[in-house]
Amino acid sequence: EAQVTQNPRYLITVTGKKLTVTCSQNMNHEYMSWYRQDPGLGLRQIYYSMNVEVTDKGDVPEGYKVSRKEKRNFPLILESPSPNQTSLYFCASTPGQGALGYTFGSGTRLTVV
Amino acid sequence: AQSVTQLGSHVSVSEGALVLLRCNYSSSVPPYLFWYVQYPNQGLQLLLKYTSAATLVKGINGFEAEFKKSETSFHLTKPSAHMSDAAEYFCAVLGGGADGLTFGKGTHLIIQP
Repeated sequence: EAQVTQNPRYLITVTGKKLTVTCSQNMNHEYMSWYRQDPGLGLRQIYYSMNVEVTDKGDVPEGYKVSRKEKRNFPLILESPSPNQTSLYFCASTPGQGALGYTFGSGTRLTVV
Repeated sequence: AQSVTQLGSHVSVSEGALVLLRCNYSSSVPPYLFWYVQYPNQGLQLLLKYTSAATLVKGINGFEAEFKKSETSFHLTKPSAHMSDAAEYFCAVLGGGADGLTFGKGTHLIIQP
């Protein structure tokens, strides 16, 4: 089944403790993105990647890092999480032209205390 | 830069009534437009997309949307609401970083029995 898989689904952590949210897609898609969803704000793009070793900032990149060492994986790294990063995170991928539509993962609900 | 405005953060309709969710866009180029649905505790699922072919686009679950360039609108409709339609709906335009999506803030659809 074609899908985007995120792990974990739920995570509670403490301020300053580094964490990684994994994202993997099995569709050989070139483009991958991370979004965060907050009430009343919709989804906002954090980082995106056009292909292996090619990444760039989205609209809200502060406090996040990403890497794209393999085509299928696009982890999101929070080096020093803060409470304002408490949010619902989505990974998404598309074949290379966004017009074809993105496939989204099931989401990771992160709470930073 | 592209942007999307969804009118009404909450819309309530009776079961069997018409569903109308409003979306207006701003784009400097011919837009690619999308509607996504998010059921509770799930990721985003593509309902339908406009990619400059037919202006009336039919999607899944009986939903459709009409692209009106003169009104810069892409409203989502369904003739008869069902209880299972209760969800969060997002309108999006292509044009974030590297073909990323710019989302509206979402509309929560409530179905009254």
